[in-house]
Amino acid sequence: EPEVTQTPSHQVTQMGQEVILRCVPISNHLYFYWYRQILGQKVEFLVSFYNNEISEKSEIFDDQFSVERPDGSNFTLKIRSTKLEDSAMYFCASSSGTGGLNQPQHFGDGTRLSIL
Amino acid sequence: LAKTTQPISMDSYEGQEVNITCSHNNIATNDYITWYQQFPSQGPRFIIQGYKTKVTNEVASLFIPADRKSSTLSLPRVSLSDTAVYYCLVGVGFTGGGNKLTFGTGTQLKVEL
Repeated sequence: EPEVTQTPSHQVTQMGQEVILRCVPISNHLYFYWYRQILGQKVEFLVSFYNNEISEKSEIFDDQFSVERPDGSNFTLKIRSTKLEDSAMYFCASSSGTGGLNQPQHFGDGTRLSIL
Repeated sequence: LAKTTQPISMDSYEGQEVNITCSHNNIATNDYITWYQQFPSQGPRFIIQGYKTKVTNEVASLFIPADRKSSTLSLPRVSLSDTAVYYCLVGVGFTGGGNKLTFGTGTQLKVEL
């Protein structure tokens, strides 16, 4: 079964540094998402992306964050000038374009981001 | 923005049916309800999705009343391997109307022998 893959599995970064989290969505999927999960808390929506532009974003997704699909396979989340409170698991997800906007999302296993 | 709430935890025994309810009082017309299972250090795994009434697949059933302000995930005959956190997700990520995807607070299901 096709999977969403995320790299690295664990990223340790100094506060103030930039970090890029990478995702390879399922190949024929058209809709892409980023979520984060702070330790012990629920999963929070960050952003959705379609047709090379942001479709929806949450209040968490401020100017510090950006997303990009630099080629036909990768989907990246960039965090500029990281803060301690950015420490969390970051999940990428994708869904297909067939059958409407309600198609279920498939999640990767996440990148654990630790800010020191 | 749909606010969703779930029981924090539930305990069950192998072979029993488990029903987990999610409340989403201000669900929007376009919103779908999706349930996910999450094991430690893994991403959420899709279980089932519905819009209204009842949906059943090979692993679960989803019951949604007419007012859609809640939904119930039913797991028949749970086993130890069903011990996980279960989340409901309300919304559609691409309505263009400002809807955001909202995960519930999660229910830790613990299944014992």
